[in-house]
Amino acid sequence: QQPVQSPQAVILREGEDAVINCSSSKALYSVHWYRQKHGEAPVFLMILLKGGEQKGHDKISASFNEKKQQSSLYLTASQLSYSGTYFCGTANYGGATNKLIFGTGTLLAVQP
Amino acid sequence: NAGVTQTPKFQVLKTGQSMTLQCAQDMNHNSMYWYRQDPGMGLRLIYYSASEGTTDKGEVPNGYNVSRLNKREFSLRLESAAPSQTSVYFCASRRGSEAFFGQGTRLTVV
Repeated sequence: QQPVQSPQAVILREGEDAVINCSSSKALYSVHWYRQKHGEAPVFLMILLKGGEQKGHDKISASFNEKKQQSSLYLTASQLSYSGTYFCGTANYGGATNKLIFGTGTLLAVQP
Repeated sequence: NAGVTQTPKFQVLKTGQSMTLQCAQDMNHNSMYWYRQDPGMGLRLIYYSASEGTTDKGEVPNGYNVSRLNKREFSLRLESAAPSQTSVYFCASRRGSEAFFGQGTRLTVV
């Protein structure tokens, strides 16, 4: 079952912040974040494996709340290059942990 | 270093025709995946292979078959194409944290 992402779309001005949420109805083994630019393949941003884990990548960071079965991606001081569609992918306990299911995506548009 | 290579890049099929999408990776990855991407639907998992010799169904396997020919290659076959299978198809491979995607195959079924 696909994880649920919110919001579906967000428009920002350069320098503004954004949060993208990802939640699952099943217990999460891992959460994966990817970004896809228009007409290109998705590209890996980061993976979170443990509940409570937080990671950062430039000014993009993420947290994983295992108890709530959800993760959030934080984009700070957004840049034009952050524009694209962001996908969270999840692998669940109770099944194959390498079965990677993606959400429906969040379209992020950063304007000058 | 080619990464994940998909062929063809574009294809137009008539309803009822069959075809095979090819995918090969040169990174010695164990896991390989086939996804389809449709507007508003995100990336949906069709089939995956955790290791050479094994394949498992994903979320939307109906109308597709796969073959993990060896560690490098994972093909997706449409036996009788339908307009509902018009989509962009992505192959990916993974070992550990990061999955690498091919550039996609844009398939149109008329």
